[in-house]
Amino acid sequence: TQLLEQSPQFLSIQEGENLTVYCNSSSVFSSLQWYRQEPGEGPVLLVTVVTGGEVKKLKRLTFQFGDARKDSSLHITAAQPGDTGLYLCAGARAAGNKLTFGGGTRVLVKP
Amino acid sequence: GAVVSQHPSWVICKSGTSVKIECRSLDFQATTMFWYRQFPKQSLMLMATSNEGSKATYEQGVEKDKFLINHASLTLSTLTVTSAHPEDSSFYICSARDAGTGEGGYTFGSGTRLTVV
Repeated sequence: TQLLEQSPQFLSIQEGENLTVYCNSSSVFSSLQWYRQEPGEGPVLLVTVVTGGEVKKLKRLTFQFGDARKDSSLHITAAQPGDTGLYLCAGARAAGNKLTFGGGTRVLVKP
Repeated sequence: GAVVSQHPSWVICKSGTSVKIECRSLDFQATTMFWYRQFPKQSLMLMATSNEGSKATYEQGVEKDKFLINHASLTLSTLTVTSAHPEDSSFYICSARDAGTGEGGYTFGSGTRLTVV
């Protein structure tokens, strides 16, 4: 069983639509990272959230960290084909500790 | 920002041989590095935590004698897949953390595609 449950596993939408990816756990994390990975490459960091209830925006991407620091969401507004990729959430139980990854969400944005 | 260089980006080896993968932190010191493997269409699975100057900590089910990790300096960790077999074929990714940061600070290499024939 994954410590971090990510949903959905796969999402296919049309360009211009919105989408939300969820990352849930029964454990508390000191920080949670969101990454985007292209095929054949390493994950690239999108954002790190550390404070319960925190909301961070990165252009069309909005990240939320749950009040209890057990869950997080990524919302993309007006998705574009360039947003296509594998989105991964990863949590650390304490600063510097190993990251636990969610199962990933494969996003396909069709033009 | 922090950069982690991983080499080689891909390698093909014969069954029974050993392969070494390098992971370097280019502009920061990393007392801890992490090694992951990723199968097609799956997420990253942590194999081991590499600690500078001491033994690596392996995750449950990962054979330490098969996946040798050496972290001899603050900027270099290596993963050697010994006596490789086709089932070891996978995408291996390293990560390093800049200890100078607070929370977060995990940077990933670009990965190594290992194919064992």
